[in-house]
Amino acid sequence: QAVVTQEPSLTVSPGGTVTLTCGSSTGAVTSGHFPYWFQQKPGQAPRTLIYDTSNKHSWTPARFSGSLLGGKAALTLSGAQPEDEAEYYCLLSYGGAGVFGGGTKLTVL
Amino acid sequence: EVQLVESGGGLVKPGGSLRLSCAASGFTFSNAWMSWVRQAPGKGLEWVGRIKSKADGGTTDYTAPIKGRFTISRDDSKNTLYLQMNSLKTEDTAVYYCHYYRDSSGYHYDYWGQGTLVTVSS
Repeated sequence: QAVVTQEPSLTVSPGGTVTLTCGSSTGAVTSGHFPYWFQQKPGQAPRTLIYDTSNKHSWTPARFSGSLLGGKAALTLSGAQPEDEAEYYCLLSYGGAGVFGGGTKLTVL
Repeated sequence: EVQLVESGGGLVKPGGSLRLSCAASGFTFSNAWMSWVRQAPGKGLEWVGRIKSKADGGTTDYTAPIKGRFTISRDDSKNTLYLQMNSLKTEDTAVYYCHYYRDSSGYHYDYWGQGTLVTVSS
């Protein structure tokens, strides 16, 4: 089974910009992996921020954006807010079967 | 209002079986693509599997560690998603979530159940 890698932790200053990445052990991440990005806060169910690389749900704050960058999927947060402190998970599809990354704990400090 | 209500979790011995249910309401369940996601205590998310709508073939996909042991099914007449778990292992201990994430038209959603805890222990 493929392994999906994320930065274990990142820190961003309030108002700052940070990019979280999502790599695949099988090679470059492409749109064919249909990358998803989820945010999870303690004690809560996850919620989807981004699907299919760069598509947002209606509730996704405009400061979040998804892309492909350097062979990885990327989630960029521009203008971080204290409420963005959370765990972020990417999910890649491999022929229909999904694999989550290990998650990135984002601290806003 | 969309609701997903999971049930069926509990304590089971290694090697045992359990069936989780996810009762859906507030949307056209028969058109839904549904998945199961689990989270072991203090750990990250793990994708378990998914089932497409019958209109899209009703096919299932699973993560490798549970293939052959878990089966996802649906009863559209009861608006219910199932996860049959057999040959359970201690490492299957987790909160299991059902997730409604898209439909046959390709429209994406994001609704989650409250999660049900499965504990595999002797």
